[in-house]
Amino acid sequence: DADVTQTPRNRITKTGKRIMLECSQTKGHDRMYWYRQDPGLGLRLIYYSFDVKDINKGEISDGYSVSRQAQAKFSLSLESAIPNQTALYFCATSDLMTSGKETQYFGPGTRLLVL
Amino acid sequence: GQSLEQPSEVTAVEGAIVQINCTYQTSGFYGLSWYQQHDGGAPTFLSYNALDGLEETGRFSSFLSRSDSYGYLLLQELQMKDSASYFCAVGYNTDKLIFGTGTRLQVFP
Repeated sequence: DADVTQTPRNRITKTGKRIMLECSQTKGHDRMYWYRQDPGLGLRLIYYSFDVKDINKGEISDGYSVSRQAQAKFSLSLESAIPNQTALYFCATSDLMTSGKETQYFGPGTRLLVL
Repeated sequence: GQSLEQPSEVTAVEGAIVQINCTYQTSGFYGLSWYQQHDGGAPTFLSYNALDGLEETGRFSSFLSRSDSYGYLLLQELQMKDSASYFCAVGYNTDKLIFGTGTRLQVFP
């Protein structure tokens, strides 16, 4: 079974609709992240959470919100979707070792199309 | 602000060696990571350097020079399956990570 899962894998929605992307992990990591990926722009951080009570904005948080329901669950919401939010969205978890080494483990991604 | 630069595309033939460079500007730097992403797939971790020098993992090696704010990923004995995008990522300020825009590697027979 996959360690980091995302639902749905693909979604088509209309401008103005509210949509939620869900992420679950079985790795037992405290740290979780949401990224979006656009062609030629790499991975850009939307929000991140270091534990259930800790939520932080990333570099492109406008238009998005998140909820950390439990250590294993981190959801991303688009309150009112717009076409330029069409992208590939990745959830990730990470472990931060005392050495400073951090490995991120990515889910399979959600491909979102906003019409 | 933080910034990373890596080439957008690199091409090579099977069996060859290819080097993908990454230069960065950041405060509070603590480590450089590399990730691989095949088309349609998720990024997967390849390597991590916190100290200057070379780290080797099979056919892949990663190098870091903190004084030059520079690192590279070296892929040896290239195989067709190595065709993918490769991202460098810089860790900074103890708990933040920023990704480069990625280098697309195409391996030809």
